[in-house]
This record gives sequence, structure tokens and C-alpha cells, in this order.
Amino acid sequence: EAGVTQFPSHSVIEKGQTVTLRCDPISGHDNLYWYRRVMGKEIKFLLHFVKESKQDESGMPNNRFLAERTGGTYSTLKVQPAELEDSGVYFCASSQPLGAGGLSSYNEQFFGPGTRLTVL
Amino acid sequence: GENVEQHPSTLSVQEGDSAVIKCTYSDSASNYFPWYKQELGKRPQLIIDIRSNVGEKKDQRIAVTLNKTAKHFSLHITETQPEDSAVYFCAASRGGNNRLAFGKGNQVVVIP
Repeated sequence: EAGVTQFPSHSVIEKGQTVTLRCDPISGHDNLYWYRRVMGKEIKFLLHFVKESKQDESGMPNNRFLAERTGGTYSTLKVQPAELEDSGVYFCASSQPLGAGGLSSYNEQFFGPGTRLTVL
Repeated sequence: GENVEQHPSTLSVQEGDSAVIKCTYSDSASNYFPWYKQELGKRPQLIIDIRSNVGEKKDQRIAVTLNKTAKHFSLHITETQPEDSAVYFCAASRGGNNRLAFGKGNQVVVIP
């Protein structure tokens, strides 16, 4: 079974440009998450999709970031315009739908390899 | 929101020795605590997790302990091997499919 894939693996852009990151979750995983790790800091949550709906977008830093998941399959994260502080590694993760146990269930989040974004 | 602190930031151990990484969390509603290992150039992968109704869990050379009263949990690696060298992240969550709140990561170096 293929894992979570992300594209591109690296992106170098200039301040003010636009970049779009893509994530393909594991097939059948309704839950898709975006996280970001800025150099030396923690991996921070950005947002969570359940199928095509945004379940939690409380971690999105500002309106320069736009995430979409049309059709509930792959997701894109667009940064427009990019700023220097947007540099970091962007991770995508996916997990299965909750079982009958609801919040008593604990579904592993499977991570992609990340996209390293450098804004110059 | 949840705040997870992770210590130390780097840890060097001789091969065969034990390594311990400690984390604290702030949200008393957190009830799921996974540990991820990220080897150089690879994706973070879950190595062990613990739920709030359990105080300790072991899987071969790794174990995790949880103290809910003190809001801290620890990862223990025994008989360390060079392939244990990696960055280890602790995380906390309210369970289900809720988001994970991560610590800053701990670089573990196993010296042969």
C-alpha cells in the first residue's frame, strides 16, 4: 500500500511569489491534516479536513494560506504571496475514519515525507 | 490550546546504553500520546503510543510511561543501537481524529 505522498519535495521561491503544495493521502483515509515545522521548532498543526470539509482550520497562520480538498481526495495548500517566515517543512498526514468508539478510538496519523519550502 | 514541552533537545548515548526523553503537556483533556521517529531524510513514523487509561506500555526495546496527574510522559529506549539515531517527537491529542500537538523534537545520537 502506498503511503502519503507529497509534491514537490523541495521548492525554492522568492518572496512575493506563489507556491502550491500537494498531498495525496492514503486511499480510504477521510482525514487529512497539514502541519508545518519551522527550523528547530515544533511541528505545528495547520488544518484538518474530513473528506472535503474543513473540520479545524485554527492553525492557519493568516489569509495568505489557502487549503483545498476538492472531491475529498488529494489536497493542495497554496501560499500567496509567500513571505520569508513561511520557510519550513510542510507535512501532510492522513488517518482512517473513526470507528464505533468515537473519541475513544485513536487513529494513527500517517505522515508524508514533507515539502521543504524555502522563501528567499 | 495544548502546549507540549520536550526535553532535552539533543541526547548523545553510547551504543548499548539507555536513552530517556521527557515531555510535559498542558491540556488536561489530552488522552492520547504518540511518539514519532524521524530518521534523516525520511518521514515521521509512529513508533509507540499510549492512552490515558494506561500508565506504561512496552514494545521490545522501547517503552512509554504516562503520569496524568503530573501531565508528563516519557520515552525509554534500552540497549540503544546506531539505527536508533533520529529525531524523536512526542505529541498529545484529545483522541479520535483530533489534531496532534507536538514537542520540538529530540535529536538522539547513538555513538557506536
